[in-house]
Amino acid sequence: GAVVSQHPSRVICKSGTSVKIECRSLDFQATTMFWYRQFPKQSLMLMATSNEGSKATYEQGVEKDKFLINHASLTLSTLTVTSAHPEDSSFYICSAREGRGNSPLHFGNGTRLTVT
Amino acid sequence: GQQLNQSPQSMFIQEGEDVSMNCTSSSIFNTWLWYKQDPGEGPVLLIALYKAGELTSNGRLTAQFGTTRKDSFLNISASIPSDVGIYFCAGRNAGNNRKLIWGLGTSLAVNP
Repeated sequence: GAVVSQHPSRVICKSGTSVKIECRSLDFQATTMFWYRQFPKQSLMLMATSNEGSKATYEQGVEKDKFLINHASLTLSTLTVTSAHPEDSSFYICSAREGRGNSPLHFGNGTRLTVT
Repeated sequence: GQQLNQSPQSMFIQEGEDVSMNCTSSSIFNTWLWYKQDPGEGPVLLIALYKAGELTSNGRLTAQFGTTRKDSFLNISASIPSDVGIYFCAGRNAGNNRKLIWGLGTSLAVNP
């Protein structure tokens, strides 16, 4: 089955630093990947859609300069949280769609970010 | 953003019991997906539905795409302790740029 690998699984950083999270599709090519954020006991909130070879599409209210997305190849998308603050602490999850159309999303295991 | 109405919000059952949860939407969907999320992990796809009326099973799990295309249910038969987790429904309609719309989740606890 389609496997999405996300790294790191946990990261603790100091306020003001930047953190990069990687999302890889291991056995399929993904022209589109999605970045979600999830707060405790809540549903997934779509942050942005990452498109290979072009700019990401951000959801309303998500700062593109704070959450930098790079989808440089068909198997890798990265999310960089720039100048992190404690309120950025959250669970970030990436997903990728195998193929096109209505194929389902497959998710990485998430990254727990804690900003101190 | 738009969300689905997923119910119940939480369930606490005895091992061996059957479980049913459902999602409803105010708009028509062309895809329904059911995911399970364990603590600290990403959601795992359980069942994908693409046609109105479609009934699909995955082991002890069964899900149906409602005929009105505005609802879906997930049943778990003979629950076991490892069924514990949060179950999310997600739907997609062609008119929404193919984005997934998520339910708020059903938290399932199983008493062994």
